[in-house]
Amino acid sequence: SQTIHQWPATLVQPVGSPLSLECTVEGTSNPNLYWYRQAAGRGLQLLFYSVGIGQISSEVPQNLSASRPQDRQFILSSKKLLLSDSGFYLCAWRAGQGSTEAFFGQGTRLTVV
Amino acid sequence: AQSVTQPDIHITVSEGASLELRCNYSYGATPYLFWYVQSPGQGLQLLLKYFSGDTLVQGIKGFEAEFKRSQSSFNLRKPSVHWSDAAEYFCAVGAGEYGNKLVFGAGTILRVKS
Repeated sequence: SQTIHQWPATLVQPVGSPLSLECTVEGTSNPNLYWYRQAAGRGLQLLFYSVGIGQISSEVPQNLSASRPQDRQFILSSKKLLLSDSGFYLCAWRAGQGSTEAFFGQGTRLTVV
Repeated sequence: AQSVTQPDIHITVSEGASLELRCNYSYGATPYLFWYVQSPGQGLQLLLKYFSGDTLVQGIKGFEAEFKRSQSSFNLRKPSVHWSDAAEYFCAVGAGEYGNKLVFGAGTILRVKS
């Protein structure tokens, strides 16, 4: 069966420090991968999505970047965190496209201090 | 750009009453449409989806949704709400090439009063 792993679960980082959040999927190949930020009243904001290795679509211009170095690995990064980067980050995958269901990781609560 | 609007941030209904959660989307082509639910402390779970065919789709937990192209809407309904339905509900659209881009609305928080 397919599983998605996202870590760490919580993270407290100082302003100006780098960030690396990792997401991996098991049990499937060539998934679509997504990074979202969830904030109260704003739903799930799509940050990045990827349909294949090295293919990244950026939806929101900001202080973050994403990479997909391997088929089932999706990384969210920042060189210098801002206070406004605090939030709850969710990784998700879909098998293919169209009407397939998305499956979400447990999320990372990031607090920038 | 594609977008999803859920006009109601909070809705409160009495247990046993009917429910309708609104969702409007903005997309030029026929979209792939989804409803997800997130219970407190839980992950997101797919309730139902639409991509073609019958515009009234049935989902899990007694939910249904109707796609209305003329209104760009995909409202979620349930004839009788249970206390366990209290959760946050998200409408989503799969847009772009092959529906790869999955965009969510802001969510509607449902409260159920006894």
